[in-house]
Amino acid sequence: GAVVSQHPSWVICKSGTSVKIECRSLDFQATTMFWYRQFPKQSLMLMATSNEGSKATYEQGVEKDKFLINHASLTLSTLTVTSAHPEDSSFYICSATKGQGAIQPQHFGDGTRLSIL
Amino acid sequence: LAKTTQPISMDSYEGQEVNITCSHNNIATNDYITWYQQFPSQGPRFIIQGYKTKVTNEVASLFIPADRKSSTLSLPRVSLSDTAVYYCLVVLSSSNTGKLIFGQGTTLQVKP
Repeated sequence: GAVVSQHPSWVICKSGTSVKIECRSLDFQATTMFWYRQFPKQSLMLMATSNEGSKATYEQGVEKDKFLINHASLTLSTLTVTSAHPEDSSFYICSATKGQGAIQPQHFGDGTRLSIL
Repeated sequence: LAKTTQPISMDSYEGQEVNITCSHNNIATNDYITWYQQFPSQGPRFIIQGYKTKVTNEVASLFIPADRKSSTLSLPRVSLSDTAVYYCLVVLSSSNTGKLIFGQGTTLQVKP
């Protein structure tokens, strides 16, 4: 158990387009989900913590109006990259924790590769 | 959150045991040590977690000395499919968020 699914797995779109990425916990409920971005050959950078039923908590330097996060249910969080530009091209990954407690392992989706032309 | 330091890269051959050491000098009393594996174009996958001494599961062992300022991930008899990036993280057990801060990781290349 503990499967996290992301959709779409890749997307190519024109500059100025808004793109929505979905993150679903398929077989468990997740009060908290996390969003990361990863550039080629670099490590994952935490963007925000998504909390069900409340506002997301963004890391320093991440524009909340640029990266809209909605965690409307215990199994779904969405990340919308608004008015995307080429510099937003990256690999976006979400994760969720099954069960309570900070030391519970995080279960990651397989990422969404976003390419902005 | 304690900062971790690991080698940037390592090479090994099939069938060998691989040990990746991670330094975490500022680890706090309530921190746990966790390792993740990431293949290209995939999300990380949890490998193992420990607090002290030794932890073993079906894929790896984690050795943590008494001072807990370092830890070693041991992969027995690696195969080509173990080529990946391995991340060492410390997690504060009392954290309200459980968020993870990834370091640069260790790129392991297993050769035939």
